Amino acid sequence: DTQMTQSPSSLSASVGDRVIITCRASHYISNQLNWYQQRPGRAPKLLMYAASNLQGGVPSRFSGSGSGTDFTLTISTLQPEDFATYYCQQSYSVPLTFGGGTKVEIK
Amino acid sequence: EVQLVESGGGLVQPGGSLRLSCTASGFTLSVHYMDWVRQAPGKGLEWVGRSRNKPNGYTTDYATSVKGRFTISRDDSQNSLYLQMNSLKTEDTAVYYCTRVLHGDWFDPWGQGTLVAVSS
Repeated sequence: DTQMTQSPSSLSASVGDRVIITCRASHYISNQLNWYQQRPGRAPKLLMYAASNLQGGVPSRFSGSGSGTDFTLTISTLQPEDFATYYCQQSYSVPLTFGGGTKVEIK
Repeated sequence: EVQLVESGGGLVQPGGSLRLSCTASGFTLSVHYMDWVRQAPGKGLEWVGRSRNKPNGYTTDYATSVKGRFTISRDDSQNSLYLQMNSLKTEDTAVYYCTRVLHGDWFDPWGQGTLVAVSS
């Protein structure tokens, strides 16, 4: 199975900050890496697919990069509605696996 | 509007069974792979299993943790997906989400989830 390791597991940031979340796969996954945002009490929502493609309707302050085993999700200017938990997910091989999540909290 | 609505969750004793349903609207179920993902209270997301589409023979895959106990099926005429859960364990307690798989890779949208609690 491909293990997905996210870091940090949590972070505190202020509105307007730049935030970078990393995700590392234990095996090669090409660009088959997706990112989801989950607000408390809500279902996850797709943010980025295939590592660097922004899902329709998602603000352009979100961006993704990486390939192979190392990936990043960047929020260029943190907004109040961005305080949530973010998960990476690999779709290269079954069983599909998620990272442990990164909780972005208000400083 | 593309939407998924899960139902069927509840409280069940260890060793019991439960069947979850997921009704799709706004798109044709038969065209897509469909997956179940769960989230234990206060924990992260865990993939449960997949139902492939008609062109791919409706084949299924499961996480090791549920293989042999859970079965995914679908009724394309009802635009519905199901998760039959048998021999339930306390560690199966979670919110269960159904989700559409796009291009065989990413999940969008997700249903609102249904809570399954396994406890005596």
